[in-house]
Amino acid sequence: SQQGEEDPQALSIQEGENATMNCSYKTSINNLQWYRQNSGRGLVHLILIRSNEREKHSGRLRVTLDTSKKSSSLLITASRAADTASYFCATVARMDSSYKLIFGSGTRLLVRP
Amino acid sequence: SQTIHQWPATLVQPVGSPLSLECTVEGTSNPNLYWYRQAAGRGLQLLFYSVGIGQISSEVPQNLSASRPQDRQFILSSKKLLLSDSGFYLCAWTGQVNSPLHFGNGTRLTVT
Repeated sequence: SQQGEEDPQALSIQEGENATMNCSYKTSINNLQWYRQNSGRGLVHLILIRSNEREKHSGRLRVTLDTSKKSSSLLITASRAADTASYFCATVARMDSSYKLIFGSGTRLLVRP
Repeated sequence: SQTIHQWPATLVQPVGSPLSLECTVEGTSNPNLYWYRQAAGRGLQLLFYSVGIGQISSEVPQNLSASRPQDRQFILSSKKLLLSDSGFYLCAWTGQVNSPLHFGNGTRLTVT
């Protein structure tokens, strides 16, 4: 089963509005990462938040982490049409001598101009 | 700087034909390498990962296999493709544990 699950599955907003996406996970984590994927392309890393951090900012992005609720949120402020993409959260699971990222099913964001 | 190359970008193959997708990384050594598959409109499913040459771990038993003949080369293969193998295949690497993944641009595979 997926470690991370995002909601909503799809979000449509007007340019200039804020977009909030949520992610829930099941097991304890070392960190949680958010990625963006433009249609038909690979994923691009946006931001990493460690388990001992509660909030992190990067430009128009704000990520929060609540380890007691096993949840995270990604806020994009003052959205632009170019923010249209799918957004995924991912958590790290240890496997043998390595680590793997487990991805959620993503939130498809549409920003209408 | 590090770069990742994945090819081909698109591929249409008949059922029963073989498959070979290649991924190479430049500018780093001993990367952790990953193959993911993404169904249309869905999340990523981890298929294989490798921590070193010849070391492959499989996440999901299926019609696919992976090999790592060189430190920075990761190959995804199949002897006989199934219709269900269609999807978007992504290669990724990371240099350090718990660090972000760097993805290639993916291969869109359609099995007909």
